[in-house]
Amino acid sequence: EAGVVQSPRYKIIEKKQPVAFWCNPISGHNTLYWYLQNLGQGPELLIRYENEEAVDDSQLPKDRFSAERLKGVDSTLKIQPAELGDSAVYLCASSGTGELFFGEGSRLTVL
Amino acid sequence: GDSVTQMEGPVTLSEEACLTINCTYTATGYPSLFWYVQYPGEGLQLLLKATKADDKGSNKGFEATYRKETTSFHLEKGSVQVSDSAVYFCALGRFGNEKLTFGTGTRLTIIP
Repeated sequence: EAGVVQSPRYKIIEKKQPVAFWCNPISGHNTLYWYLQNLGQGPELLIRYENEEAVDDSQLPKDRFSAERLKGVDSTLKIQPAELGDSAVYLCASSGTGELFFGEGSRLTVL
Repeated sequence: GDSVTQMEGPVTLSEEACLTINCTYTATGYPSLFWYVQYPGEGLQLLLKATKADDKGSNKGFEATYRKETTSFHLEKGSVQVSDSAVYFCALGRFGNEKLTFGTGTRLTIIP
């Protein structure tokens, strides 16, 4: 069974440019999460979806970050414009009725 | 709010040594507690969990006991292997997985 797939694995951009990350959860998993992991820190929740509905986006910086989960399957996280402090790993995870399964993450470097 | 304090690393041990990685938490009520592991080049994966006080989670030779009186969930293994080299994260969960609060992670390196 395929795990959570994220792309791109690595992205380098200049500040003020836009960037988007894509996540394909495990088939049948209704709950999808985006986490932010800064260097040397643990992951922090950005947004949680139940099917296509964002049920917890309280930690998402809505001035520059946006996310969508059309049709309740794949999800996209966008940053526009990116700032130097956005350099981090963006993790996607999904769950059915129990354990969270994480993708390998997308590492963003903003120059 | 909820928080998790984890033993800082990095930790370097010889193969077959005993391991303890300390984890304490601050939370109201009765959260669930987890240990996640991240092997090099891979995503985070659940190592073990405990959902109530005095529960012991175990997997792959690792154990952790949910101690409410000391608000702790220390990770232990009696004899580590080179393949255990990874970053270990302690986490606290509300309503199961819905809201996880992670510690900062402890990098473990096992030397042959």
